[in-house]
Amino acid sequence: NAGVMQNPRHLVRRRGQEARLRCSPMKGHSHVYWYRQLPEEGLKFMVYLQKENIIDESGMPKERFSAEFPKEGPSILRIQQVVRGDSAAYFCASSPGLAVSYEQYFGPGTRLTVT
Amino acid sequence: AQTVTQSQPEMSVQEAETVTLSCTYDTSESDYYLFWYKQPPSRQMILVIRQEAYKQQNATENRFSVNFQKAAKSFSLKISDSQLGDAAMYFCAYRSSSGGSNYKLTFGKGTLLTVNP
Repeated sequence: NAGVMQNPRHLVRRRGQEARLRCSPMKGHSHVYWYRQLPEEGLKFMVYLQKENIIDESGMPKERFSAEFPKEGPSILRIQQVVRGDSAAYFCASSPGLAVSYEQYFGPGTRLTVT
Repeated sequence: AQTVTQSQPEMSVQEAETVTLSCTYDTSESDYYLFWYKQPPSRQMILVIRQEAYKQQNATENRFSVNFQKAAKSFSLKISDSQLGDAAMYFCAYRSSSGGSNYKLTFGKGTLLTVNP
């Protein structure tokens, strides 16, 4: 059973460009979570999605950031008009359900560098 | 809101020795989960151990064990017989077990562990 897949692993964007980060959850997992890790910080929750629904986006900046988890295909975290402060590692996690007994399995992360 | 504090930015240990990483947290909840995650240079987040707050017995996973002090809101990780492969950033994390946001993990800032041969 393949783990959570994220691509690309590294992404370099110039200021003002768009960044698209992809996350394929583990097989059988329908719950996806995105976290951001700024330099020398712990991971911080951004958004929680189920198939075709955004459940909680309270941790996501109100502007330029959006997320989706379509019926088919990976979850996408999209950052428009990137700025240097967006440089961070973005982690996706998935779980088979919402119950707290379910562990969140993390992907390897995408390191975004904005130049 | 819950907070997680790791007061040791860096720690080092000699190979085969024992090291303890500290974590404290703040919450008004009585039921929750606590975790230690390992992040090696590859940046992959790996779950090391977890503790349910309602369990009095400290969790153990091979060379990894915790000292969970609920009243003191303390959750330390002990690594015995340290190995070179234990070198990594270690994060303490909290997750509520009830309420509307029980899916959110709240992380500390991490402790960078170096293992010296």
